[in-house]
Amino acid sequence: EPEVTQTPSHQVTQMGQEVILRCVPISNHLYFYWYRQILGQKVEFLVSFYNNEISEKSEIFDDQFSVERPDGSNFTLKIRSTKLEDSAMYFCASRTPGRGEKLFFGSGTQLSVL
Amino acid sequence: AQKVTQAQTEISVVEKEDVTLDCVYETRDTTYYLFWYKQPPSGELVFLIRRNSFDEQNEISGRYSWNFQKSTSSFNFTITASQVVDSAVYFCALSAPERGANNLFFGTGTRLTVIP
Repeated sequence: EPEVTQTPSHQVTQMGQEVILRCVPISNHLYFYWYRQILGQKVEFLVSFYNNEISEKSEIFDDQFSVERPDGSNFTLKIRSTKLEDSAMYFCASRTPGRGEKLFFGSGTQLSVL
Repeated sequence: AQKVTQAQTEISVVEKEDVTLDCVYETRDTTYYLFWYKQPPSGELVFLIRRNSFDEQNEISGRYSWNFQKSTSSFNFTITASQVVDSAVYFCALSAPERGANNLFFGTGTRLTVIP
């Protein structure tokens, strides 16, 4: 079965540094998402992306965050200047067109900001 | 606004017992979708089921069954004859595409531990 692939699986960075989390969505999917999960807490929506632009974002997704689809396969999340509270598991997801379609999630990138 | 409540933070059962995980949702939309995802200790999110708001039929898949009741805004999940491999965090989630947002709103999850 096709998978959403995320790299790296773990990322350690110093506070204030920029990080880029990478995702390869399933090839025929058109809608892309980033979610995060702080340790032991619920999964929170960050941003959705369709047709090369952000379709929706949450309050968490402030100016420090950006997303990009630099080519036909990758989907990235950039955090410009990381903070301690950005430490979390970041999940990428994708889906096919259609209302209520399920999201396929990647295995996540565990980001630790020191 | 969308809201999903999973009141049970943690549940422990002995292997072979049945267990029900509760999910209560809130939405003003008439068309919406409900989901259950499983997060095993390895951390990935595994899709289990999707149900739309117009289909209140209960569903059974092996040892798993789901009870959707619009009258009580609940979408409960039952595992019959639980096994150690069922130990995971289970998330209930809601999406309401009418608002143009197909993103999922997750509940806080229920951690299920099945004791051998």
